[in-house]
Amino acid sequence: QVQLVQSGAEVRKPGASVKVSCKASGYSFTDFFIHWVRQAPGQGLQWMGWITPKSGGTTYAERFEGRISMTRDTAINSVYMELTSLQSDDTAFYFCARGGSREGYNLWGQGTLVTVSS
Amino acid sequence: SYELTQPPSVSVSPRQTAYITCFGEDLGDKYAAWYQQRPGQSPVLLIYQDSKRPSGIPGRFSGSISGDTATLTISETQALDEADYYCQTWDTSSLVVFGGGTKLTVL
Repeated sequence: QVQLVQSGAEVRKPGASVKVSCKASGYSFTDFFIHWVRQAPGQGLQWMGWITPKSGGTTYAERFEGRISMTRDTAINSVYMELTSLQSDDTAFYFCARGGSREGYNLWGQGTLVTVSS
Repeated sequence: SYELTQPPSVSVSPRQTAYITCFGEDLGDKYAAWYQQRPGQSPVLLIYQDSKRPSGIPGRFSGSISGDTATLTISETQALDEADYYCQTWDTSSLVVFGGGTKLTVL
């Protein structure tokens, strides 16, 4: 079954970091970019960046530069998104999504809720 | 930075046609995609490359673009089409951009 399965909900205190995983199955992992998109409660979608599973190359949205890192492990078909220096406005659902400019985001993970609260 | 502008809300009667617009400077020179997101669910790709429909998406959903405006058309609207709809594009400076989203209400 073609799917992206994300890790479970996380709770962090302000200033802490969080690392969310996204495991791909049912397709060739290195053939598609993986993007990360977040959505604060009741808000719209916000793009965070992408990783190329084949090479590990990354591109991040400017607003997250310096506190975001995306990595991958090709042995287990997984990508990871780590966000540091968390603040309350980082509370959101974080989604991984497969795709790019030609095909759109045609496969999404189920989302991971990250709550930042003291 | 690049922006996409959508109306916050659109209302439509059942079985009528809904039009959701998305405005962006020179959007016609880029690829536009559309997503549907129901409450509590992940987004679903409806349209890519302006007007292409992935397999499994009903033919009631169609996309078009004219100048700076992309339009998602939903014909024969049903109650299950009530959702948030997002347009998206790729820009050389801002990279990936989403519109603010449109809440579709089927009255």
